[in-house]
Amino acid sequence: DQQVKQNSPSLSVQEGRISILNCDYTNSMFDYFLWYKKYPAEGPTFLISISSIKDKNEDGRFTVFLNKSAKHLSLHIVPSQPGDSAVYFCAASALNDYKLSFGAGTTVTVRA
Amino acid sequence: EAGVTQFPSHSVIEKGQTVTLRCDPISGHDNLYWYRRVMGKEIKFLLHFVKESKQDESGMPNNRFLAERTGGTYSTLKVQPAELEDSGVYFCASSQIAEQGYNEQFFGPGTRLTVL
Repeated sequence: DQQVKQNSPSLSVQEGRISILNCDYTNSMFDYFLWYKKYPAEGPTFLISISSIKDKNEDGRFTVFLNKSAKHLSLHIVPSQPGDSAVYFCAASALNDYKLSFGAGTTVTVRA
Repeated sequence: EAGVTQFPSHSVIEKGQTVTLRCDPISGHDNLYWYRRVMGKEIKFLLHFVKESKQDESGMPNNRFLAERTGGTYSTLKVQPAELEDSGVYFCASSQIAEQGYNEQFFGPGTRLTVL
């Protein structure tokens, strides 16, 4: 059973605008959440993370929001740049459990 | 600092053959993980080593898959005999011993396995 879901397989956004990627999870034991970015023929690269004790974490143009009651998190990219075009994976892990559970990914295309 | 490396980058084999994938983690990383992505779906966990010990192999699909990490350095993942459904991209990742709540894993570029 898939415990992390990214229901939007793709997102197209104009350069300079905001990209919002969504992720839902079902396992209430998850306490750490990560976003990874993946270019073709490369491995996923860590982007940003958030612990369950927080509801927001910001790093430059990237902000992750966590809503524990809704079991939902989102990644905001502002402003979007052409180099942001990639597949974005949401991932989660539970306390004392090192394995990551991933969503299926969202392909972001930033239009010039 | 060198990242996680994987060999080969691509492998095409016939059903019933054997394939061995190799992963070299980042130096000093005790944790090593194998994941697999099939047909553009989610990336699925296979197993986790801490040094040379298997910490969690709950994601291994069946006994055709054998992972080793002799000496706690590089790891191999052998598929014998390979079946059509084993096709996919196999990723290796590594991380340091994590403080509670911190679990950033560094991924290699993956090995694309095609079973014909």
